[in-house]
Amino acid sequence: QSALTQPASVSGSPGQSITISCTGTSSDVGSYNLVSWYQQHPGKAPKLMIYEGSKRPSGVSNRFSGSKSGNTASLTISGLQAEDEADYYCCSYAGSSSWVFGGGTKLTVL
Amino acid sequence: QVQLVQSGAEVKKPGASVKVSCKASGYTFTSYGISWVRQAPGQGLEWMGWISAYNGNTNYAQKLQGRVTMTTDTSTSTAYMELRSLRSDDTAVYYCARVLMAPFDYWGQGTLVTVSS
Repeated sequence: QSALTQPASVSGSPGQSITISCTGTSSDVGSYNLVSWYQQHPGKAPKLMIYEGSKRPSGVSNRFSGSKSGNTASLTISGLQAEDEADYYCCSYAGSSSWVFGGGTKLTVL
Repeated sequence: QVQLVQSGAEVKKPGASVKVSCKASGYTFTSYGISWVRQAPGQGLEWMGWISAYNGNTNYAQKLQGRVTMTTDTSTSTAYMELRSLRSDDTAVYYCARVLMAPFDYWGQGTLVTVSS
């Protein structure tokens, strides 16, 4: 299956909000409420930030939120902080024990 | 606490095979699956495949079919990923991650596999 589509980069100033989109198809994002989002700092393993579209694991700031409409999922980060600068990846379950990732979005905090 | 600890970095020649291990602790190993995800230098995450630690069922990404084998050893709570016929574009950091339907909630630290003549 093809990778989910994310913007290559987004940027924002401290305190602002940004949204990263993740577009899939009716076979993955559109079929399952199983989109997750991961934050990855350079040289580190990915960290789960959002699961099942909009749920936050324990310990993840409530500045991170997720949503989905049709074949597109979105991650919103409010009150941007310098430490939010990282790469962000969406991932969707695609059926039959398979998953597909987005290409990744580099977030720059100006 | 849940931990996934992977084996160390590997350097292999083209055409060789590599086997990466992922030792789990802090949870009931057979209650979850393990997925393998790789990341080439400067590139994004690529899902490679999944194995059920309960019954050994597997599903591999189509592009790796025939070259990859995932196994588990429930006696040691360890998952393995073997990749054969290595090419230069297999150079990547390989991660294991715990999964139950979704998401990948815990990840290993990553294992760098370098393929070079």
